[in-house]
Amino acid sequence: QVQLVESGGGVVQPGGSLRLSCAASGFTFGTVGMHWVRQAPGKGLEWVSYIRKDGSTIYYADSVKGRFTISRDNSKNTVYLQMNSLRAEDTAVYFCASITRGWGQGTLVTVSS
Amino acid sequence: EIVLTQSPGTLSLSPGERATLSCRASQSVSSNYLAWCQQKPGQGPRLLIYDASTRATGIPDRFSGSGSGTDFTLTISRLEPEDFAVYYCHQYANSPFTFGQGTKLEI
Repeated sequence: QVQLVESGGGVVQPGGSLRLSCAASGFTFGTVGMHWVRQAPGKGLEWVSYIRKDGSTIYYADSVKGRFTISRDNSKNTVYLQMNSLRAEDTAVYFCASITRGWGQGTLVTVSS
Repeated sequence: EIVLTQSPGTLSLSPGERATLSCRASQSVSSNYLAWCQQKPGQGPRLLIYDASTRATGIPDRFSGSGSGTDFTLTISRLEPEDFAVYYCHQYANSPFTFGQGTKLEI
């Protein structure tokens, strides 16, 4: 069955960096686009970034543009989110998702001094 | 940016009843690239419907999606106890991709 497993979350100081990973299994990873979506504590879902199946097209939300970088390695069935210059407002659970396959369980990122 | 407005904000029903959740877009969602997901407390979202009306693998047929253009609906024909959760619509037609604010389905 479809599995998406995020990792790499943790506590980081403002201005710091983290790299999230999402390992996919149960479907042909290289044929689908992938998203990162986040959810701040007690809030709704916020789309963060998208990468096309072959990496040729990438989009970002304005709130993370210039600070976050999405990438993927289809040989490892993994999508990444490099997060730099982190701010308190980036504190959230980060999910990876495929629109047509499913969602992961998320990894918590806390930005705090 | 396409703004999605879900209604109602909270829906109070009983098991066995029919639920109708609405998602209205500020502009037409091309190719009906609209999905619905369900989220329970402390869990990741669960994909229910994509392309407005295609049920995801393993989703019971009591869940159905319909609509096109700017008006979309998620219908749960007969509520089961495990269906009480928060439901989000989201569009993936145009960046920035966006989510509705959610509808809480409560007993």
